Amino acid sequence: GQQVMQIPQYQHVQEGEDFTTYCNSSTTLSNIQWYKQRPGGHPVFLIQLVKSGEVKKQKRLTFQFGEAKKNSSLHITATQTTDVGTYFCAGPGDRIFGNEKLTFGTGTRLTIIP
Amino acid sequence: NAGVTQTPKFRVLKTGQSMTLLCAQDMNHEYMYWYRQDPGMGLRLIHYSVGEGTTAKGEVPDGYNVSRLKKQNFLLGLESAAPSQTSVYFCASSYPGSRQGEAEAFFGQGTRLTVV
Repeated sequence: GQQVMQIPQYQHVQEGEDFTTYCNSSTTLSNIQWYKQRPGGHPVFLIQLVKSGEVKKQKRLTFQFGEAKKNSSLHITATQTTDVGTYFCAGPGDRIFGNEKLTFGTGTRLTIIP
Repeated sequence: NAGVTQTPKFRVLKTGQSMTLLCAQDMNHEYMYWYRQDPGMGLRLIHYSVGEGTTAKGEVPDGYNVSRLKKQNFLLGLESAAPSQTSVYFCASSYPGSRQGEAEAFFGQGTRLTVV
């Protein structure tokens, strides 16, 4: 079946450094979503990417969807302590926008060293 | 608006006991999901439903059963609990989505289950 692999599993950065997590699929994704889970919390939706080569920004967060729609990345510029948590990508979608069988990557756990 | 509510929040079971986890959503979502989260394993899909009266298997369905008799409720059952089912369970719901971003999944607060 389709699998979404996410790397790295863990990332420790000094506050103010940048952070990137990558999501890779063996098959073409119709869309991909990104979620953030704070320690002890539940996953919260960040964004959805649909188009090939799409780039979206949310303040210090930049999301990219690969040209072949098989990979995606999340980049955080100048990390802050509020960025601590686990970041998940989610896919593949069975429809253009929706996800009947919403499966998640293994996540990247980000810790910040003050 | 409560969103997605899971009951109970914590539970300790003995091996072989049965229990049902309840998920309720008040957003009129078509899709509902059950996940388990274990250290280093991310979120793994147990079962999901695309509408009232329908269910389907996810990545790790063995040892679990589900039912969706009402659109707003999605029940997860453990017939004979095993220590390997010790985990944090999350329920989520979403729209099918007709526009970008509309299919975001909303999660409940989670149920921490320990099987001894």
